[in-house]
Amino acid sequence: GQQVKQSSPSLTVQEGGISILNCDYENDMFDYFAWYKKYPDNSPTLLISVRSNVDKREDGRLTVFLNKSGKHFSLHITASQPEDTAVYLCAAVLNNNNAPRFGAGTKLSVKP
Amino acid sequence: GGIITQTPKFLIGQEGQKLTLKCQQNFNHDTMYWYRQDSGKGLRLIYYSITENDLQKGDLSEGYDASREKKSSFSLTVTSAQKNEMAVFLCASSIGTGGYEQYFGPGTRLTVL
Repeated sequence: GQQVKQSSPSLTVQEGGISILNCDYENDMFDYFAWYKKYPDNSPTLLISVRSNVDKREDGRLTVFLNKSGKHFSLHITASQPEDTAVYLCAAVLNNNNAPRFGAGTKLSVKP
Repeated sequence: GGIITQTPKFLIGQEGQKLTLKCQQNFNHDTMYWYRQDSGKGLRLIYYSITENDLQKGDLSEGYDASREKKSSFSLTVTSAQKNEMAVFLCASSIGTGGYEQYFGPGTRLTVL
């Protein structure tokens, strides 16, 4: 079964609003969590990541929240812009493994 | 900086054919990966390699072979192309062996006739 899940295939937000992207995982041995951004016909690029020893990390308009007991992490994008429109992929790495597993992606559309 | 190149960009094969995809990176990264991207299914891990001549199966290795000929190159072989096997194959690399901060290539789009 899929180890990392993004239950929302799409999300639409008004410009200036907060975009909240969610990701759930099954295995509590995951200890590294990341968000990648993918434009159409382009490859994913790393946006922000966090280790399991913290529950929050901020970088400009981006914040990752990690809820280990709930096996859930999220990406919040404040002051959303039309250029934030893209597919967002969450990924997680097991602490005894070397390869990230990805969710199916959430397509974010920011409307002017 | 560095770059990951994948060849070919587009690959058209016949059902049952053996097809090989190639990936090169000049980051001097230790670990390389092959993922398959299908619409609505995100990226699924096929194989990865943490060093030259190493090979680790991913979640979707059935029907594929891979080879890490040298640190900078990692190839993927579809052993027998299937009619429903139309997808984008993404190669990635990362420094060290922890699976952190992957860099992706532009992808190879496979179409099986």
